[in-house]
Amino acid sequence: DGGITQSPKYLFRKEGQNVTLSCEQNLNHDAMYWYRQDPGQGLRLIYYSQIVNDFQKGDIAEGYSVSREKKESFPLTVTSAQKNPTAFYLCASSIERLGSYEQYFGPGTRLTVT
Amino acid sequence: QKEVEQDPGPLSVPEGAIVSLNCTYSNSAFQYFMWYRQYSRKGPELLMYTYSSGNKEDGRFTAQVDKSSKYISLFIRDSQPSDSATYLCAMNSHQFYFGTGTSLTVIP
Repeated sequence: DGGITQSPKYLFRKEGQNVTLSCEQNLNHDAMYWYRQDPGQGLRLIYYSQIVNDFQKGDIAEGYSVSREKKESFPLTVTSAQKNPTAFYLCASSIERLGSYEQYFGPGTRLTVT
Repeated sequence: QKEVEQDPGPLSVPEGAIVSLNCTYSNSAFQYFMWYRQYSRKGPELLMYTYSSGNKEDGRFTAQVDKSSKYISLFIRDSQPSDSATYLCAMNSHQFYFGTGTSLTVIP
């Protein structure tokens, strides 16, 4: 069953702690993305990676870090430097197919920091 | 000016109605246009995508792109309560750009 998995579904952390969100895909997609979704603000791009061992900052990368050691995996670390980390985090992957781009999303991780 | 503008709604319609969801955009370089459906507390699900101008139909859903007006639409015919969700438009040139989503409720 192909798709994108994110774990955990819900995550609770104390302020000042780093936390890592998992994202795995078995779609054989080259590109992977992390978005943050807040009410009324739509999806905001945190980081993306088009190939293993390479990644680029998105619009709101401050306070986040990523790695891309394997094609299938793109974990996101929310560091204590992120001022407002409570949000719904979405991982996505995309593929170029016959000139079109298709992006697919995982189920998301809801992070609450208190 | 935002790259993509979408009316957040909320939109409430009776079951069986035709629903029209719309987005406008500013970047004429956009070539690929997508619609996603997102149920509460779930990830967005790709519904339809189109390339350049024209219409694309899939069951009860029709996606329409008017590049001259920089305007895209998603029509839902014979709407069902299960269509109640937030609908996101998205566009792509070298990066994906998303609308903020329109919340739709279909009342039985």
